[in-house]
Amino acid sequence: QQPVQSPQAVILREGEDAVINCSSSKALYSVHWYRQKHGEAPIFLMILLKGGEQKGHDKISASFNEKKQQSSLYLTASQLSYSGTYFCGTPISNFGNEKLTFGTGTRLTIIP
Amino acid sequence: NAGVTQTPKFQVLKTGQSMTLQCAQDMNHNSMYWYRQDPGMGLRLIYYSASEGTTDKGEVPNGYNVSRLNKREFSLRLESAAPSQTSVYFCATHHRTGTEAFFGQGTRLTVV
Repeated sequence: QQPVQSPQAVILREGEDAVINCSSSKALYSVHWYRQKHGEAPIFLMILLKGGEQKGHDKISASFNEKKQQSSLYLTASQLSYSGTYFCGTPISNFGNEKLTFGTGTRLTIIP
Repeated sequence: NAGVTQTPKFQVLKTGQSMTLQCAQDMNHNSMYWYRQDPGMGLRLIYYSASEGTTDKGEVPNGYNVSRLNKREFSLRLESAAPSQTSVYFCATHHRTGTEAFFGQGTRLTVV
C-alpha cells in the first residue's frame, strides 16, 4: 500500500534542479510531502488536495495529478540546505478512517 | 507547547524483553500514528488511532500492541522484543484529513 517514489537517490550540484516522483496504485485524495534530515524527524513541506493543483514553498513546488494517481516535487536552483530524504505520504481510506502511509523516500544530496 | 513528545529517545533491549514506547501530544489532534523507519524501507505504518479508544492496524503490526487511553497519549508495546524490531520509531499526529502531520523526535531502539 506504500506509494512508490522515484528516483531512490539523486546527487546534484548546488543550483541544479531535481524532480521527485510519487505514484500510488490506489486513488489519491491528497498527497503530503516531507523532508527529513539525518537523525531528525520528518518536517512537513506541503499538502496537495486537488487534481492538477500546484503549490509552492520557496523554490520547492509540487504538482498533483489525481487521475494519474501521481505527484511530483520540483526543487529548482537547489541549495545545500535542500539535502535530505524526501517522502511522499498518501492517506489510505479504510471504512471512513484515513491512514497516512509513506513512500520509501528519495535521498537528495547537494554538493557545492 | 511541546508538540509531540516521545520517550525514551534511546533504548537497548535484550531479545525477549518487553517495553512500552510512550507518545504524548499537546496539539489536541484526533489522529495518532506509530511508524518504524529502517534503512531503505521508508516510514512504515505500525498502528493508527483515529480517536480516543480506537486503533487500527497498519502495514507492519505483528509483534506490537498499542493503547490509546486518552486523546493525548498513544503508546506502543513490544511484548517480546526481537532483533528484527531494531529500528527508529516515530510517533506522529494530525488533526484531520488534509492537514499536516507532526512527528516526534523518534526513539532509537536496539534489540540484541
